Amino acid sequence: DTEVTQTPKHLVMGMTNKKSLKCEQHMGHRAMYWYKQKAKKPPELMFVYSYEKLSINESVPSRFSPECPNSSLLNLHLHALQPEDSALYLCASSYDQTGRGEKLFFGSGTQLSVL
Amino acid sequence: QKEVEQNSGPLSVPEGAIASLNCTYSDRVSQSFFWYRQYSGKSPELIMSIYSNGDKEDGRFTAQLNKASQYVSLLIRDSQPSDSATYLCAVGKGTNAGKSTFGDGTTLTVKP
Repeated sequence: DTEVTQTPKHLVMGMTNKKSLKCEQHMGHRAMYWYKQKAKKPPELMFVYSYEKLSINESVPSRFSPECPNSSLLNLHLHALQPEDSALYLCASSYDQTGRGEKLFFGSGTQLSVL
Repeated sequence: QKEVEQNSGPLSVPEGAIASLNCTYSDRVSQSFFWYRQYSGKSPELIMSIYSNGDKEDGRFTAQLNKASQYVSLLIRDSQPSDSATYLCAVGKGTNAGKSTFGDGTTLTVKP
């Protein structure tokens, strides 16, 4: 099983809503990532969890709150988002962060629209 | 100067031709190099990884790495219309931070 599963696939939310994005992998990977991707741009790293601990936060606004309940799950809690936060949110996993660099396996993404 | 630079394209080749995609990087301590393919509206998919100087072949794909020139390329032989996508080059430093830096991508169109 080489799959990273993300839900929901599409999400429309208002600026006062609270929602969560979910990500799951069963490959035994110990590093999990959240990326944000705008149209025709490369993925931008938001957060990295390594062995269930937050290891990188790329100065992401606090309206985005990551959570890693266990080694297979990664959530991204959203609150009071702005229209400019509309993007494709990608979850990825890799075996780990060390050594020769990670091969990333991406989920199918959540297309988020903030109204 | 961007850390990872790619020709934005679009690159257009006829079906059956060789498509050549190029990527340069600025940080000499980089140790790992990846090519991802992203179809429109889809997520990136890893297609090649390379760590040592030289060529690495996988089917119709060949990755080439030259660390002295800080250059990595992807060749697609016998290009097919299904290869039409954006190709992202990613470079990793192989440190404990472990994060890859992505180039802006090159859009490839293979014309039947």
